[in-house]
Amino acid sequence: GAVVSQHPSWVICKSGTSVKIECRSLDFQATTMFWYRQFPKQSLMLMATSNEGSKATYEQGVEKDKFLINHASLTLSTLTVTSAHPEDSSFYICSAHRTSGTPYEQYFGPGTRLTVT
Amino acid sequence: GQNIDQPTEMTATEGAIVQINCTYQTSGFNGLFWYQQHAGEAPTFLSYNVLDGLEEKGRFSSFLSRSKGYSYLLLKELQMKDSASYLCAVLDSNYQLIWGAGTKLIIKP
Repeated sequence: GAVVSQHPSWVICKSGTSVKIECRSLDFQATTMFWYRQFPKQSLMLMATSNEGSKATYEQGVEKDKFLINHASLTLSTLTVTSAHPEDSSFYICSAHRTSGTPYEQYFGPGTRLTVT
Repeated sequence: GQNIDQPTEMTATEGAIVQINCTYQTSGFNGLFWYQQHAGEAPTFLSYNVLDGLEEKGRFSSFLSRSKGYSYLLLKELQMKDSASYLCAVLDSNYQLIWGAGTKLIIKP
């Protein structure tokens, strides 16, 4: 199969601090990873597309200076929420695309629940 | 604009059959995905349709009509564990996934 892990699975932080979330593809190389945010009872909202070795592409309305994305290797992408505020509390999910299997199928990590107090 | 419509919530009885519809209007079409998402968990892949017709996979089937911009997910022999949200997503002309809001399916004994 294609396994994607995320760490941490949940985190509580104080307002104004920064939090880093890691997304790893465990058994395949992912040239492209995606970061989503999901608020309660809402659908997935794509935040950015992360490409290995290049700058991430952010969706309209997503602040790239607040949500820093680094995709330094074919198996790891990180999302750093800088100067977090309570409104950033959400469920953050990453996914990875691999070249084999169903075209453009995304394999999702288990998600990270962020609570900013 | 791009739009995907699904019912917000559906209720069905254990052992029965339920059909979840999805209509879409997107800039281009390169396939349609159905994902299942249990509360507090990440989505898991159910099906992918790129050609018209019905794809059957065990208790789950997915249908696509490109001319009508329409798909449905059919769940048979419903089990309590099928209670989840079902997300429809379309791959547009830029190969970007456009997500529907999801349908929350409630299974009653």
